[in-house]
Amino acid sequence: DVKVTQSSRYLVKRTGEKVFLECVQDMDHENMFWYRQDPGLGLRLIYFSYDVKMKEKGDIPEGYSVSREKKERFSLILESASTNQTSMYLCASTMSSTNTQYFGPGTRLTVL
Amino acid sequence: AQSVTQLDSQVPVFEEAPVELRCNYSSSVSVYLFWYVQYPNQGLQLLLKYLSGSTLVESINGFEAEFNKSQTSFHLRKPSVHISDTAEYFCAVSPSGGSYIPTFGRGTSLIVHP
Repeated sequence: DVKVTQSSRYLVKRTGEKVFLECVQDMDHENMFWYRQDPGLGLRLIYFSYDVKMKEKGDIPEGYSVSREKKERFSLILESASTNQTSMYLCASTMSSTNTQYFGPGTRLTVL
Repeated sequence: AQSVTQLDSQVPVFEEAPVELRCNYSSSVSVYLFWYVQYPNQGLQLLLKYLSGSTLVESINGFEAEFNKSQTSFHLRKPSVHISDTAEYFCAVSPSGGSYIPTFGRGTSLIVHP
């Protein structure tokens, strides 16, 4: 079974802090994604990566950056956290041939 | 460009009753279609998918969905729901060739009452 893990289930940070959210997948998938999930808005794509050191902006990249130094690991960085970044963050990975997304359990981030 | 509309944000239903969660999409290219389920405090997991072939696809826990190309729909159905089916359900589409970036609907909360 594919396993996608995220570094924290719950995280509380203060406004202005730098925040790292990490995601690791164990199935050698080429593509990895970061979404945020908010009530009534569904999933919105922040960034994705189709290869090591490659990244593409999604629909809502403002205020975020990403890093993919190894194939299995994809990090989401909030350079200076703000209260409007309080949300559930979901990481996913996929093989290009199937398009099926495999999700991690999510990180619920609260910015005070 | 593609979009997904889930027509109901919340669907309350009694246990053992049938249910239908509606999903319509628009796309200028051929698509793959997916339903994902999210149980409380968990990530999303694939429920079923349509890639090609038979337009009726089934999941292992009794859900089914039918791809209707003329109506651009992929509605999810179950003839008899259980309390354990209470969850958020997301419909998604992605292009069948080239880009693999999916577009998700806003989700439908299925609430099963005893």
